[in-house]
Amino acid sequence: NAGVTQTPKFRVLKTGQSMTLLCAQDMNHEYMYWYRQDPGMGLRLIHYSVGEGTTAKGEVPDGYNVSRLKKQNFLLGLESAAPSQTSVYFCASRRQGARTYEQYFGPGTRLTVT
Amino acid sequence: AQTVTQSQPEMSVQEAETVTLSCTYDTSESDYYLFWYKQPPSRQMILVIRQEAYKQQNATENRFSVNFQKAAKSFSLKISDSQLGDAAMYFCAYRSTGGNYGGSQGNLIFGKGTKLSVKP
Repeated sequence: NAGVTQTPKFRVLKTGQSMTLLCAQDMNHEYMYWYRQDPGMGLRLIHYSVGEGTTAKGEVPDGYNVSRLKKQNFLLGLESAAPSQTSVYFCASRRQGARTYEQYFGPGTRLTVT
Repeated sequence: AQTVTQSQPEMSVQEAETVTLSCTYDTSESDYYLFWYKQPPSRQMILVIRQEAYKQQNATENRFSVNFQKAAKSFSLKISDSQLGDAAMYFCAYRSTGGNYGGSQGNLIFGKGTKLSVKP
C-alpha cells in the first residue's frame, strides 16, 4: 500500500515548455486534489476532482489543466510554463463523505521554471 | 469565504518545554473540522490533530493538544515536552462539512504556517 505517490519529484522547465505531473493513489479514494505551496503562502488549491471523469477549479486554477480518466490517477498539466509557476506541488486524496476528515498527501513535486 | 490566519511566522522553544501555536479562522458555518498539519524538512504533510466543531472537548494526541474556542474562532496547538523532531512548519487548516460536501466546501483551507524551531 503505497498511499499517494507523485511523479516526478523534481523538475526544471524553461519558460513556455509543457509538462504533466502524475498523482496516483491506491486507497480507492473518490476525491483527489492538487495544491501548490509557495514560501509564506501555505497550500492553495489548484483543482480538485470528486470522481472519475469530473474536475473542478480551486482557488488558483489559471495556467493549469487537469484530468481524471481513471479513479486512481489525477494529472496536472502545464501547457506553457511560466516562472510564476515555480512552486512545490502536492497531490492529496480522501474518501468520500462529509464526516471523512483526513486528506492523505503525496510527497510533493518541486518544479522550477526558468 | 472562510479564512485561516496564523499570526506567528516563526516560533522557538527549548527542548522539553511547552510551546503554543496560534490559529484563528473566520466562518459563518456552525459545523466544520479544524486540523493541524506538520511539515518537516522532508516536505511530507503529516496530520497532527483534528477537532470537530460540534465537540466541546479539546482534542488530544499524546504530547499534542488543542485549545478550541468556538465563539472566539480560535484553535491553538500546544506541544508539551518539545522534542528535536518537532521542528517543522505547522499549518492550521479548516474544512467545512455542510452543504454539498462533494464540492468546494469539502476542501481544506490552510493558514500560511508557523515555523517551529526546537533548541537543544
